[in-house]
Amino acid sequence: EAGVTQSPTHLIKTRGQQATLRCSPISGHTSVYWYQQALGLGLQFLLWYDEGEERNRGNFPPRFSGRQFPNYSSELNVNALELEDSALYLCASSLVLLVSDTQYFGPGTRLTVL
Amino acid sequence: QQQVKQSPQSLIVQKGGISIINCAYENTAFDYFPWYQQFPGKGPALLIAIRPDVSEKKEGRFTISFNKSAKQFSLHIMDSQPGDSATYFCAASDSGNTPLVFGKGTRLSVIA
Repeated sequence: EAGVTQSPTHLIKTRGQQATLRCSPISGHTSVYWYQQALGLGLQFLLWYDEGEERNRGNFPPRFSGRQFPNYSSELNVNALELEDSALYLCASSLVLLVSDTQYFGPGTRLTVL
Repeated sequence: QQQVKQSPQSLIVQKGGISIINCAYENTAFDYFPWYQQFPGKGPALLIAIRPDVSEKKEGRFTISFNKSAKQFSLHIMDSQPGDSATYFCAASDSGNTPLVFGKGTRLSVIA
């Protein structure tokens, strides 16, 4: 069974640009979560999608947005990039709606903002 | 209210020793407490999880101890091995519409 996949592995952008990160969940999983892992800050919840709808949003500015497609894959968009957006962005998926069900993480996309 | 405080930030343990990582929370609505293990260059992977209806859960060399009254839970790694060297994250959620809240992580190094 294929795990959660994310692309690209690395992404380098400059301040003010936009970044698009992609995630494919495990087959059959309908929930997708996005987390930001900045150095020393642990994992910070960004967004949660299920069945194509945004279910919850973390304490991040509106320039962080995303969507979930009919095939349950997801996209995270970060507009007007700032230096502090440099981090590892992790995507996770789970089988059902309850957050207590195991979340399986992908390897992440390393975003560097210069 | 939503924070999960994890300690220590880093830990060095001799091979064969016991590694202990502690977490504390404030939100009494939390009812699911997983631990994740992350190796460099990889995403976190679920290690073991507990619900507050039990005080301890053991899976192989890994044990979660849970103290509901103190709002604390801990991970014990028995007979620690160099292959256990990784970053460990505790987390919590209330099984409702809120996502997992993670601690800041503990970097464990097991030395021979």
